[in-house]
Amino acid sequence: GEDVEQSLFLSVREGDSSVINCTYTDSSSTYLYWYKQEPGAGLQLLTYIFSNMDMKQDQRLTVLLNKKDKHLSLRIADTQTGDSAIYFCAESPLTGANNLFFGTGTRLTVIP
Amino acid sequence: EAGVAQSPRYKIIEKRQSVAFWCNPISGHATLYWYQQILGQGPKLLIQFQNNGVVDDSQLPKDRFSAERLKGVDSTLKIQPAKLEDSAVYLCASGGRGGEQYFGPGTRLTVT
Repeated sequence: GEDVEQSLFLSVREGDSSVINCTYTDSSSTYLYWYKQEPGAGLQLLTYIFSNMDMKQDQRLTVLLNKKDKHLSLRIADTQTGDSAIYFCAESPLTGANNLFFGTGTRLTVIP
Repeated sequence: EAGVAQSPRYKIIEKRQSVAFWCNPISGHATLYWYQQILGQGPKLLIQFQNNGVVDDSQLPKDRFSAERLKGVDSTLKIQPAKLEDSAVYLCASGGRGGEQYFGPGTRLTVT
């Protein structure tokens, strides 16, 4: 089955860049997503990338996809205290019905 | 545009009791998902609807969980009887044509 892995914790200083990494096993993934979850809230879709792309930039967010290594990363430029949250990587396999398979989440802590 | 609505936000019940959660998706979204998010984990799909039909319920514990979406809009998820291990956040998401999913705030269930 699909397996999505992320490191559990990341701490950065305010103003620095954050890089959150994710690896997945399903080579047939069509889309890969990044979601943000703040305490007590649902998941907020941040960005996504189609599997035939290797990079996508959206304001402070840059997504890099290495399909050969099945590695996805999210870079947040100029990290702010409001970016402190749990970030989930999710993949949508080609088979199935647009189900999302999530990683365990990376808790980002931004130190002022 | 209104987001995905869920109620209640919090529920505390004793084991063996019953509970029901309600979800109203984004207007016009044909696809609706229920996920279970146990503390410290990523969400896991329980059931997916396309309009009022079930697309995938392979991970739904059917001996105690049931869900319906009778008119292809709102949905309810029921647990009867609840077990301690059902303590989790239950997230509803709706999906647009592009496959991306938008999540509600979730219902936090505590079973004592």
